[in-house]
Amino acid sequence: DIQLTQSPSTLPASLGERVTISCRASQSISNSLNWYQQKPDGTVKRLIYSTSTLESGVPSRFSGSGSGTDYSLSISSLESEDFAMYYCLQYATYPLTFGSGTKLEIK
Amino acid sequence: EVQLVETGGGLVQPGRSLKLSCVASGFTFSSYWMYWIRQAPGKGLEWVSSINTDGGSTYYPDSVKGRFTISRDNAENTVYLQMNSLRSEDTATYYCATLGDYWGQGVMVTVSS
Repeated sequence: DIQLTQSPSTLPASLGERVTISCRASQSISNSLNWYQQKPDGTVKRLIYSTSTLESGVPSRFSGSGSGTDYSLSISSLESEDFAMYYCLQYATYPLTFGSGTKLEIK
Repeated sequence: EVQLVETGGGLVQPGRSLKLSCVASGFTFSSYWMYWIRQAPGKGLEWVSSINTDGGSTYYPDSVKGRFTISRDNAENTVYLQMNSLRSEDTATYYCATLGDYWGQGVMVTVSS
């Protein structure tokens, strides 16, 4: 099984700050990685697919990058609605696996 | 408007069964692979099962293989999750999703005596 190590688990940040969340796979996943945002009410939304393609309607302050085993999600200038949980998901091979999540919280 | 509405959750004793349903609307259901994802209380997301567009191929992690069965009815725009031999560790909110744009709001399943 492919393990995804997501870091940090908690990320305190301020409005307007740029942040980066990392997702490292235990083997190459050939860009087969999505990023999701989950709000406190449980609502889940895909932000990025195939490593770097922005989902329609997602603000351009979100971006994804990476290759091989190392991937990241960046938010260029935090807004209040961005404080939430973030998860990466690899779909290169079964079983599909999620990262353990990053809680982006207000500093 | 796109909707995925899960039903069928509740409190069930260990070893018993439960069947979840997810009704889709607002998109061409038959064109999408469908997935069940769960989230135990205070924990992260976990993939539970996948089914292809015609229902001919299904996939499960080892944690539920042999106990859970995913199926779909494209005429009814519905995907199901039959859960047998439930364990306390199956307690979670269960989401149906396309893993893309469309996710349901989730349904709670509690396995407890």
